Amino acid sequence: KAGVTQTPRYLIKTRGQQVTLSCSPISGHRSVSWYQQTPGQGLQFLFEYFSETQRNKGNFPGRFSGRQFSNSRSEMNVSTLELGDSALYLCASSEPGQMNTEAFFGQGTRLTVV
Amino acid sequence: AQSVTQLDSQVPVFEEAPVELRCNYSSSVSVYLFWYVQYPNQGLQLLLKYLSGSTLVKGINGFEAEFNKSQTSFHLRKPSVHISDTAEYFCAVTTSGSARQLTFGSGTQLTVLP
Repeated sequence: KAGVTQTPRYLIKTRGQQVTLSCSPISGHRSVSWYQQTPGQGLQFLFEYFSETQRNKGNFPGRFSGRQFSNSRSEMNVSTLELGDSALYLCASSEPGQMNTEAFFGQGTRLTVV
Repeated sequence: AQSVTQLDSQVPVFEEAPVELRCNYSSSVSVYLFWYVQYPNQGLQLLLKYLSGSTLVKGINGFEAEFNKSQTSFHLRKPSVHISDTAEYFCAVTTSGSARQLTFGSGTQLTVLP
């Protein structure tokens, strides 16, 4: 099975721009979660999607949004980029089921805002 | 709400020596605990998890962890480390029984010295 694929791996954007990151989960996985990793704040949960619906959301401003498609691929969007949005964005996929206990992570997209 | 504290931000250790990475959690309900490893410029890989049952959990690469409910701890141990174990280690918790929304500790950088 192919793993979780995140594209692009690296991205440089200018303050004020917007950006879209993509995540393709493991085949058969319908849940996709997104995390932001920064040196100062560590790993923080952004949101989770299941069957094209956002089920949980972390404590991030509305500039951070996401969506999931019928094939379970997910995108996250950050609008009006700020310098503080520079981070590694990680996507994780997991199998459906309340008692699912393993999340598989992609290699991440490193976003640099200049 | 739950939280995780990793008591050591950096742990240097000589090759073939034992190591313990400490993790304490806080939660008012039952928890499920995980240890992940992150190599440079990579995503997270699951080392081991505690869901229920035996408090001593064995994982990949020779790692093990012990769940201690009275001390609210889940320390990670390895009896003999290798250079290749150099990485950042994250302890994570969820109370929902699902790995879709994890709360992570701040991470411990393990550096194995020759």
